[in-house]
Amino acid sequence: DGGITQSPKYLFRKEGQNVTLSCEQNLNHDAMYWYRQDPGQGLRLIYYSQIVNDFQKGDIAEGYSVSREKKESFPLTVTSAQKNPTAFYLCASSPPVRAGELFFGEGSRLTVL
Amino acid sequence: GENVEQHPSTLSVQEGDSAVIKCTYSDSASNYFPWYKQELGKRPQLIIDIRSNVGEKKDQRIAVTLNKTAKHFSLHITETQPEDSAVYFCAASSGNTPLVFGKGTRLSVIA
Repeated sequence: DGGITQSPKYLFRKEGQNVTLSCEQNLNHDAMYWYRQDPGQGLRLIYYSQIVNDFQKGDIAEGYSVSREKKESFPLTVTSAQKNPTAFYLCASSPPVRAGELFFGEGSRLTVL
Repeated sequence: GENVEQHPSTLSVQEGDSAVIKCTYSDSASNYFPWYKQELGKRPQLIIDIRSNVGEKKDQRIAVTLNKTAKHFSLHITETQPEDSAVYFCAASSGNTPLVFGKGTRLSVIA
């Protein structure tokens, strides 16, 4: 069953702690993305990667970090430097032949206590 | 970079009526314009998209129109049903760049 798997679905964290959100895909897509969703703000791009071992900052990269060591995996770390990390995080991938068309994971909801 | 504006932010229609959501974009290089539907607590799902070589595309009750000269595109839903209630997002990209999304429209279909 092909798709994008995000984990955990819900995560609570104390202020000052780093947390890593997992994103795995078995669609053989080259490009992967992380978006943040806040009420009334739409989806804002955090980081994206178009190929293994390479990634670029999006519009709101401050306080986040990523890695792309394998084609299937694109984890996102929310660091303590992120001032307002409580949000819904969506991972997505896109195929090379239909560049731009995104397939989303189910999302991870992070709450900072 | 690209900027996408979406209107209205909320829309209520009676069941059976039509709904129209409009978006404008700023980058003339953009050539791909998808629409996503997101139900409460779920992932966005692509419902229709259009590329810049066509002006209109239909799929059953939904249609998208594109005016490249004016840099705007619209989603039309006819004969709305309660299950159409959701948040709809427009987006734009040049194909080589990531999608830039509008802020969304919350559509409520009143039975």
